[in-house]
Amino acid sequence: SQQGEEDPQALSIQEGENATMNCSYKTSINNLQWYRQNSGRGLVHLILIRSNEREKHSGRLRVTLDTSKKSSSLLITASRAADTASYFCATGPGYSTLTFGKGTMLLVSP
Amino acid sequence: ETGVTQSPTHLIKTRGQQVTLRCSSQSGHNTVSWYQQALGQGPQFIFQYYREEENGRGNFPPRFSGLQFPNYSSELNVNALELDDSALYLCASSSEREKVETQYFGPGTRLLVL
Repeated sequence: SQQGEEDPQALSIQEGENATMNCSYKTSINNLQWYRQNSGRGLVHLILIRSNEREKHSGRLRVTLDTSKKSSSLLITASRAADTASYFCATGPGYSTLTFGKGTMLLVSP
Repeated sequence: ETGVTQSPTHLIKTRGQQVTLRCSSQSGHNTVSWYQQALGQGPQFIFQYYREEENGRGNFPPRFSGLQFPNYSSELNVNALELDDSALYLCASSSEREKVETQYFGPGTRLLVL
């Protein structure tokens, strides 16, 4: 079963625009992570935010977490064509397993 | 590149056959997890191995089994293949000793069951 649900399912923008995708989850979490997947290959870890954090930045990425609403958002600023990929949120109890959502497909056109 | 490798990259089997997929963890990582990703879905947790012992299992039948070796490499075995087993199989390594919660994924093995 999927713990997280990303929204929207697909997003199409132009280079230079910002992309925002959201994730909702069901149960209490220890941390929430965002991963990127290019063309159905392996996942690449982007950023981790802990349950006691509200916002975190990494380069052009900004993640927020609202534990009262059980939701998170990922903002990619100044998108590039190379950002085209599927993005997944994943929740975990700690060092152990991750539960992924269905993902958001992002298409950035030149 | 994460340093996690998987073999083979692609595989075609017929229903009822058995398959073994292999994963080599990133250096220093003692925990490996396996995930199944069906087309258009997110990865689903199959099981995890820590120091050669199964350390958690998702909602998968017993015909999915695994091994972890002393060098922390791992195998996923699937018996009596079904058409629905067609998917991308991902392994991910992590290090409990370093208290690292991030998992490092390999490129995956794409399995097609005919």
